[in-house]
Amino acid sequence: DAGVIQSPRHEVTEMGQEVTLRCKPISGHNSLFWYRQTMMRGLELLIYFNNNVPIDDSGMPEDRFSAKMPNASFSTLKIQPSEPRDSAVYFCASSPWQGNYGYTFGSGTRLTVV
Amino acid sequence: DQQVKQNSPSLSVQEGRISILNCDYTNSMFDYFLWYKKYPAEGPTFLISISSIKDKNEDGRFTVFLNKSAKHLSLHIVPSQPGDSAVYFCAARGRWDSNYQLIWGAGTKLIIKP
Repeated sequence: DAGVIQSPRHEVTEMGQEVTLRCKPISGHNSLFWYRQTMMRGLELLIYFNNNVPIDDSGMPEDRFSAKMPNASFSTLKIQPSEPRDSAVYFCASSPWQGNYGYTFGSGTRLTVV
Repeated sequence: DQQVKQNSPSLSVQEGRISILNCDYTNSMFDYFLWYKKYPAEGPTFLISISSIKDKNEDGRFTVFLNKSAKHLSLHIVPSQPGDSAVYFCAARGRWDSNYQLIWGAGTKLIIKP
């Protein structure tokens, strides 16, 4: 298995532009998580899905952030419009079921908004 | 309100000596505690866990100790090796409204000096 695949690895965009981050979870994993890592806050859970259904999006910072999981093998995190304070590393993780703590993380997308 | 705290942002240890990483938590409802390890430009990887009904779990050079009365856990690495240089995240699993969540600490950067 190739693990959790995220794209792009790096994204540099101008303030106000739309940014879309992509994630392919491990096949058979029913839960998918989007995290953001910053120096100030460490790892923050933004949203997670069980069986493609969003369960808790209370970590999504603002309405500018949205996430979708149209099927079991793909999820997106969109920021529109992007702002410099959104600059961070965004991780996607998946697990076999929601209570399983052995998450497999992707390599992350480093987002820079200038 | 940080429910899981790692008060040391960084720790420097001589190669071959013991590394001790600490973590404190506030919620007595957590049922599992775990450590993840993160190298630069990679996602965190699961290292070791401990159930709340135990006070020690060992896996090779890594041992996690749990002191429930003090709401404190620690990760011991003996002996420390250069490849152990990474950021270590402490996390705790809790269950709210029939949904599980991992609550993360901010991380401790471990530097192993040759």
